[in-house]
Amino acid sequence: DAKTTQPNSMESNEEEPVHLPCNHSTISGTDYIHWYRQLPSQGPEYVIHGLTSNVNNRMASLAIAEDRKSSTLILHRATLRDAAVYYCIPRTYSGAGSYQLTFGKGTKLSVIP
Amino acid sequence: EAGVAQSPRYKIIEKRQSVAFWCNPISGHATLYWYQQILGQGPKLLIQFQNNGVVDDSQLPKDRFSAERLKGVDSTLKIQPAKLEDSAVYLCASSLRGVQNTEAFFGQGTRLTVV
Repeated sequence: DAKTTQPNSMESNEEEPVHLPCNHSTISGTDYIHWYRQLPSQGPEYVIHGLTSNVNNRMASLAIAEDRKSSTLILHRATLRDAAVYYCIPRTYSGAGSYQLTFGKGTKLSVIP
Repeated sequence: EAGVAQSPRYKIIEKRQSVAFWCNPISGHATLYWYQQILGQGPKLLIQFQNNGVVDDSQLPKDRFSAERLKGVDSTLKIQPAKLEDSAVYLCASSLRGVQNTEAFFGQGTRLTVV
């Protein structure tokens, strides 16, 4: 299984952009990179996912390196509600045509008012 | 659309007792996951179902944990007997077709405390 490396914690000022890095140097060529976040006392929630090219949605942008060994989640304007643990997760095949998400420790993002 | 429902939200039991958790996934989702999240750690996958069949249960402690998904819809996770180290949040998630190119939706979890 692909392993990921993320900083344990990061801080950002409110309304400033945040770049959350992730290294996944052992990822296979067909595994999508998923990002989830977990607010306090909540279950994880989906943020974004991608394979090779950069992706944007209403929550964030995902920049994937050309060699796919790293990616960066970009929150364009951090709000207090974005304070959470962010997980970078390579999707892995689990059998029977299905896939699973293997969580690491994630990055705890603090947003300063 | 309704989300993933889990019950109960909280449970306190004594060690060696048994406990069961229930999960109702999003309608039409074929894949169901149970995760265990110990305080300060990321969620750990316990078992994955595709419809009513088990895809992966390699990290399920089968001497005390069991799970079933009858009729490919609702699922229950049971612990018997519980140990102190089972204190954790148990999360259920579902996905349309196993996160192949889709997202997983998580419930709010059941917080289990074993005393």
